[in-house]
Amino acid sequence: SQKIEQNSEALNIQEGKTATLTCNYTNYSPAYLQWYRQDPGRGPVFLLLIRENEKEKRKERLKVTFDTTLKQSLFHITASQPADSATYLCALAHGSGNTGKLIFGQGTTLQVKP
Amino acid sequence: DAGITQSPRHKVTETGTPVTLRCHQTENHRYMYWYRQDPGHGLRLIHYSYGVKDTDKGEVSDGYSVSRSKTEDFLLTLESATSSQTSVYFCAISESMGNEQFFGPGTRLTVL
Repeated sequence: SQKIEQNSEALNIQEGKTATLTCNYTNYSPAYLQWYRQDPGRGPVFLLLIRENEKEKRKERLKVTFDTTLKQSLFHITASQPADSATYLCALAHGSGNTGKLIFGQGTTLQVKP
Repeated sequence: DAGITQSPRHKVTETGTPVTLRCHQTENHRYMYWYRQDPGHGLRLIHYSYGVKDTDKGEVSDGYSVSRSKTEDFLLTLESATSSQTSVYFCAISESMGNEQFFGPGTRLTVL
């Protein structure tokens, strides 16, 4: 069966450290993968998109990798801050090319302690 | 924030009653989506629209219908609400299926 998995346990790290979140999937061949941030009581906010032919994408303190062989994406936040505390969702495109609907993982909650 | 509003923001209703949720955008984006978010399931697509009067089903469409008579409005209707439809509903928009999605603030629906 098709699955997209994110670590359901909260990730607790110290301020200034690098947070690494994992998104694994099975039985999909996504053309691209997106990461979103969601704060309590609010809608998700788009962060980064990475395509199947890209190994890595960066935006300020954020870095995403996409390994289609391992069927895995890693999301890194360097020099983490308490304001980075939130739930992070990965979403992959299910379907061909740019016509794919997004399938979301359940999200991983990150808590950055000062 | 992208110009997306949802109404109502909160609603409590009884089993068997019809409910309509509204999503309104001011961005003129072609695609609009309705998701529901539940603990243990994450965000799941209910229906989406790729233009005025053009809609298609998502992963969990049973018990829901949608309509889009104008570019800016996308309505989600529960014809006869059930307790299993208690959830937080999010509307989203995008310029195309391949682009990032912008989400509304959500509607918390409780069906008693």
